[in-house]
Amino acid sequence: GQQVMQIPQYQHVQEGEDFTTYCNSSTTLSNIQWYKQRPGGHPVFLIQLVKSGEVKKQKRLTFQFGEAKKNSSLHITATQTTDVGTYFCAAPTSGTYKYIFGTGTRLKVLA
Amino acid sequence: NAGVTQTPKFQVLKTGQSMTLQCAQDMNHEYMSWYRQDPGMGLRLIHYSVGAGITDQGEVPNGYNVSRSTTEDFPLRLLSAAPSQTSVYFCASFTSYNSPLHFGNGTRLTVT
Repeated sequence: GQQVMQIPQYQHVQEGEDFTTYCNSSTTLSNIQWYKQRPGGHPVFLIQLVKSGEVKKQKRLTFQFGEAKKNSSLHITATQTTDVGTYFCAAPTSGTYKYIFGTGTRLKVLA
Repeated sequence: NAGVTQTPKFQVLKTGQSMTLQCAQDMNHEYMSWYRQDPGMGLRLIHYSVGAGITDQGEVPNGYNVSRSTTEDFPLRLLSAAPSQTSVYFCASFTSYNSPLHFGNGTRLTVT
């Protein structure tokens, strides 16, 4: 079945450094969503990408959807301690309403 | 707005016991899903529903039953709990194919 691989699994950065997490799918995705889960919390929706090559920004966060719609990335510029958490990508299985999640990237920011 | 409400927040079961995890949403969302979250495994889809009376299996459905008698409620039943079902369970709802998932606060289940 459809799988969404996410790397890296963990990332520790010094505050102020940049951070990037990547999602890769073996199949073409109709759209991809990104979520953030704070420690002890639940996933919270960040953004959705739909178009090939789409780039969206939210303050220090930049989201990209690949030209082939098989991969996506989330880049955080100048991380802050408030960025700590696990970032997930998610995508619907083709032709269904099943949203499959990547394994997540846990970000720790050292002050 | 309550959003998606899950109960209980914590539960400890003994092997073989049964229980129901409750999920209710007040946003009139047609689509609802159950996920389990284990360390290093991300969120894995257990079951989902596209409307009242319609459910389907996700990635890891074995050991779990669901039903959807109303738009608001989507309970998850464990008929005979096993230690492998120790996990954090999240319920989510959404309005349409391209819309965001709204998650509940989760239920932390331990099976001994």
